[in-house]
Amino acid sequence: NAGVTQTPKFQVLKTGQSMTLQCAQDMNHNSMYWYRQDPGMGLRLIYYSASEGTTDKGEVPNGYNVSRLNKREFSLRLESAAPSQTSVYFCASSVDRARQETQYFGPGTRLLVL
Amino acid sequence: AQSVAQPEDQVNVAEGNPLTVKCTYSVSGNPYLFWYVQYPNRGLQFLLKYITGDNLVKGSYGFEAEFNKSQTSFHLKKPSALVSDSALYFCAVIYNFNKFYFGSGTKLNVKP
Repeated sequence: NAGVTQTPKFQVLKTGQSMTLQCAQDMNHNSMYWYRQDPGMGLRLIYYSASEGTTDKGEVPNGYNVSRLNKREFSLRLESAAPSQTSVYFCASSVDRARQETQYFGPGTRLLVL
Repeated sequence: AQSVAQPEDQVNVAEGNPLTVKCTYSVSGNPYLFWYVQYPNRGLQFLLKYITGDNLVKGSYGFEAEFNKSQTSFHLKKPSALVSDSALYFCAVIYNFNKFYFGSGTKLNVKP
């Protein structure tokens, strides 16, 4: 039981390049989330998927797109990377969208945009 | 605005001494409050949560937190700190059905 996995672990991009961050969970969770973590700002929600087939914007969705490929996988795409998107990206999942559900986090993807 | 605040960027404590990491929140209705810990180069790990019931919540690794509705606080505590407790701690509140708001984090340094 690997929990939440993310690939890649680290990536360097040039401004304008595109890439997709992959996330998968093997806990049969319904809800999945993408966050970015920046120094002094905690985690900010980019997008979430309450259940398979649905996605919704979070606090900072601009410049990102997501795909809930199936129940296990939730990808985050940067179409045209900008230096402001340099950050650590975390994927998380929870059993369901009930408000008291604990989220389980992946190890993170460190992205540097030059 | 709905939010959660951690007023201290860093907390320093000697091993064996009690520790407190502060968190205050500002949400309408009944809050759902969480504490997470992050070790270097790792994702966040769940410590404990308050949903309802007793104001004192016990969690992993000997940590506990006290929910205080009148002061809108949810401070994390441990009676005796360990060097291995040194990490980054995040308070979080669930707001608007399925959206988490995280505090900015508090770095805990426990010195031998």
